[in-house]
Amino acid sequence: DTAVSQTPKYLVTQMGNDKSIKCEQNLGHDTMYWYKQDSKKFLKIMFSYNNKELIINETVPNRFSPKSPDKAHLNLHINSLELGDSAVYFCASSLGAPGNTIYFGEGSWLTVV
Amino acid sequence: AQKITQTQPGMFVQEKEAVTLDCTYDTSDQSYGLFWYKQPSSGEMIFLIYQGSYDEQNATEGRYSLNFQKARKSANLVISASQLGDSAMYFCAMRGWETSGSRLTFGEGTQLTVNP
Repeated sequence: DTAVSQTPKYLVTQMGNDKSIKCEQNLGHDTMYWYKQDSKKFLKIMFSYNNKELIINETVPNRFSPKSPDKAHLNLHINSLELGDSAVYFCASSLGAPGNTIYFGEGSWLTVV
Repeated sequence: AQKITQTQPGMFVQEKEAVTLDCTYDTSDQSYGLFWYKQPSSGEMIFLIYQGSYDEQNATEGRYSLNFQKARKSANLVISASQLGDSAMYFCAMRGWETSGSRLTFGEGTQLTVNP
């Protein structure tokens, strides 16, 4: 049983397309995240939801829109994809209380051509 | 604001030897947690070890230990008896409890290569 699972793992798409990445966690956590890892391997938070409420919204183009239908799911929709959106996108989850570990999914490799 | 600094872009170690990966941090929070993650070439992020800012003892998990020096704001990862499978990117991260919400802030990573 994968604790944090995201799909698809690999996605190659053309500029201008709209795509979604889905994430589900079965750990009973109340907080979920999207992180972006760029080509230099730097990891940066994009969004965080706690109990379906958006609590972190970093400076991200508004072409990126997260949606959390319930505590166990957090999806990322990207409109009008650009070449610079190519990256690895990680979903993660944790309990929101301090001191709790954040567990990551396996990553979704997005390539925009 | 939080900042994590990993000054070693790459490290090499011989199999079976110990290696220390450096991490320093800066935060205005009084309470925080420090984490290390491993990212092998397959890409997944694997949690290794956690140290709370109020923990008096250094954290240990198998061959991993965290050398926590609060006054120096350092949280170095020590891997004992290195194995070939330890070759990976290692990230130090912190989670402040007061001003940063629930986010993890990462360092830039250290690429560890274990030589046979």
